Amino acid sequence: EVQLVESGGGLVKPGGSLRLSCAASEFTFSTYSMNWVRQAPGKGLEWVSSISSSSIYIYYADSVKGRFTISRDNANNSLYLHMNSLRAEDTAVYYCARVRGNYHSGAFDIWGQGTMVTVSS
Amino acid sequence: IVLTQSPGTLSLSPGERATLSCRASQSVSSNYLVWYQQKRGQAPRLLIYGVSTRATGIPDRFSGSGSGTDFTLTISRLEPEDFAVYYCQQYGSPYSFGQGTKLEIK
Repeated sequence: EVQLVESGGGLVKPGGSLRLSCAASEFTFSTYSMNWVRQAPGKGLEWVSSISSSSIYIYYADSVKGRFTISRDNANNSLYLHMNSLRAEDTAVYYCARVRGNYHSGAFDIWGQGTMVTVSS
Repeated sequence: IVLTQSPGTLSLSPGERATLSCRASQSVSSNYLVWYQQKRGQAPRLLIYGVSTRATGIPDRFSGSGSGTDFTLTISRLEPEDFAVYYCQQYGSPYSFGQGTKLEIK
């Protein structure tokens, strides 16, 4: 079964750092663009960051630019989100999501179950 | 691009027709408009991409239409499992989501 599994969430103090991971299985990870999307408690979806299959194209939402870094390890079928200078407003469930087809950008056809990040003192 | 969905909440009964709107602040390039369904406690599910193409396994009671800045998701006859939150998304610049429409049972 095609699957994405996030990990690495938890409780962190304001100003702290965290690294999220997303493990992909049962598809050729290296040929797909990937994304991180977050959802604050009781709120809507917010796109966070995108990375193309070979890491050439990387984009960030303005709300995280300069604080978050997306990366991937195609040899190990893994996607990462390095989060620094965390703020209370970064509290959310973080999902990794695959772009449909071998396109640079597109609809997100596979989603993980999400990992919760809580930023609080 | 800012996407604005309306209404915020839609109250309907099973068997009725649902019409959800998504308006963009500027034209969505190449019809890069998508719809997702999210049920409580679950990840979003892809319903429609490219404005009107149903994703794999999506029943034909779901349809998408529109162009430019105005898009619509229609559910022709509501089933009990259709009551959820629906989001539109554009992927042209690079990505943004609407704030969602909650479809609730009347």
